[in-house]
Amino acid sequence: DAGITQSPRHKVTETGTPVTLRCHQTENHRYMYWYRQDPGHGLRLIHYSYGVKDTDKGEVSDGYSVSRSKTEDFLLTLESATSSQTSVYFCAISREGLGELFFGEGSRLTVL
Amino acid sequence: EDKVVQSPLSLVVHEGDTVTLNCSYEVTNFRSLLWYKQEKKAPTFLFMLTSSGIEKKSGRLSSILDKKELFSILNITATQTGDSAVYLCAIQSGGSNYKLTFGKGTLLTVNP
Repeated sequence: DAGITQSPRHKVTETGTPVTLRCHQTENHRYMYWYRQDPGHGLRLIHYSYGVKDTDKGEVSDGYSVSRSKTEDFLLTLESATSSQTSVYFCAISREGLGELFFGEGSRLTVL
Repeated sequence: EDKVVQSPLSLVVHEGDTVTLNCSYEVTNFRSLLWYKQEKKAPTFLFMLTSSGIEKKSGRLSSILDKKELFSILNITATQTGDSAVYLCAIQSGGSNYKLTFGKGTLLTVNP
């Protein structure tokens, strides 16, 4: 199994509070991704990174920011959480951005 | 914008049946098509297809790509209850920094 750890795995928070999800990898892969998964929508890309300090937006990036100061860590921040951001968040990594993505176990976020 | 449509959205079969899952796509700069299986947690990789007409096989699962008609199928023969899962199809576009665009998935339920 690819060495990907997401934290926290479960979080309940209130509307308007900031939330940071962390993805940590031990594979030294260049590409890292944050997806959210919601019923009826499948997996949708939020942000991704193609190297340290190199990030770009996905299709549902509004309300989210990311940072990657080290190869192994990719942080997803919700500056002011809203109920529409209640979701399961998956981090994924890719060796060279080609083909297979390896996914973390997911982080379930509930915004009340 | 890349687009992936999977059908059917859900399917219920009996053990031993053969199933075919469909994935059609629109993409501006095709690089690859991938299939994933998702049980309760993270998606796990099944196949990556890049060339038309070449079947990929793994045990009872097989997949083929038609780049002219822009679709792929995933076949599962002699289904087992352990095949119950959501099957995800994804497209990788070479012109978008190697992002994957996912379909909404097909929920397969195999009854004993």
